[in-house]
Amino acid sequence: QVQLVESGGGLVKPGESLRLSCAASGFTFSGYYMSWIRQAPGKGLEWVSYISNSGSTVAYADSVRGRFTISRDNAGNSLYLQMTSLRADDTAVYFCARDRQPSRYGGNDYWGQGTLVTVSS
Amino acid sequence: DIEMTQSPLSLPVTPGEPVSISCRSSQSLLNTNGYNYVDWYLQKPGQSPQLLIYLGSTRASGVPDRFSGSGSGTDFTLKIRRVEAEDVGVYYCMQGLQTPRTFGQGTKVEIK
Repeated sequence: QVQLVESGGGLVKPGESLRLSCAASGFTFSGYYMSWIRQAPGKGLEWVSYISNSGSTVAYADSVRGRFTISRDNAGNSLYLQMTSLRADDTAVYFCARDRQPSRYGGNDYWGQGTLVTVSS
Repeated sequence: DIEMTQSPLSLPVTPGEPVSISCRSSQSLLNTNGYNYVDWYLQKPGQSPQLLIYLGSTRASGVPDRFSGSGSGTDFTLKIRRVEAEDVGVYYCMQGLQTPRTFGQGTKVEIK
């Protein structure tokens, strides 16, 4: 069965960096785009970034562009989000989610349980 | 960026009654391939979001057929034919036509 397990969250100070990971299993990881989506405490969902199945195409929300970098390791079935220059408003639960296939759009059909990132001095 | 606006934001419901949630986009979500790139998600209390509907009207795997999606262009609707107690949570629409992807504010459905 499809599983997505995020890790790497924690408490950091403003300006610091953090790297999130998402371990994928139960499907052909290299065949799917992957996304990061976050949810600030008590707030709605905010799309953060996605990466194509090959890693050649990436996209970011305006709020994180230039500070966050998405990447993937298809051999290791892992997705990453490198976060730098963290700010208090980056505090959120970060979800990884399976995204579309190159020739088929099917929404974000599987989500991980999320990992909490807290940015506070 | 495409703005997604949901209504209502709060919806008290009675089990067994029909439910309708609206989502409007600031630009057409109709792609040249004829599909509307809008999804619907439900986030139950304490859980991760789950996909209900994609491409405007296609139910995701395992989603009960009491859920349906409709609409085209800029106006979309999620309907629950007869709401059940297990359907409580926050419903979100999201556009997948262009980046940045954007979500609606969410509609909180709770039992009266």
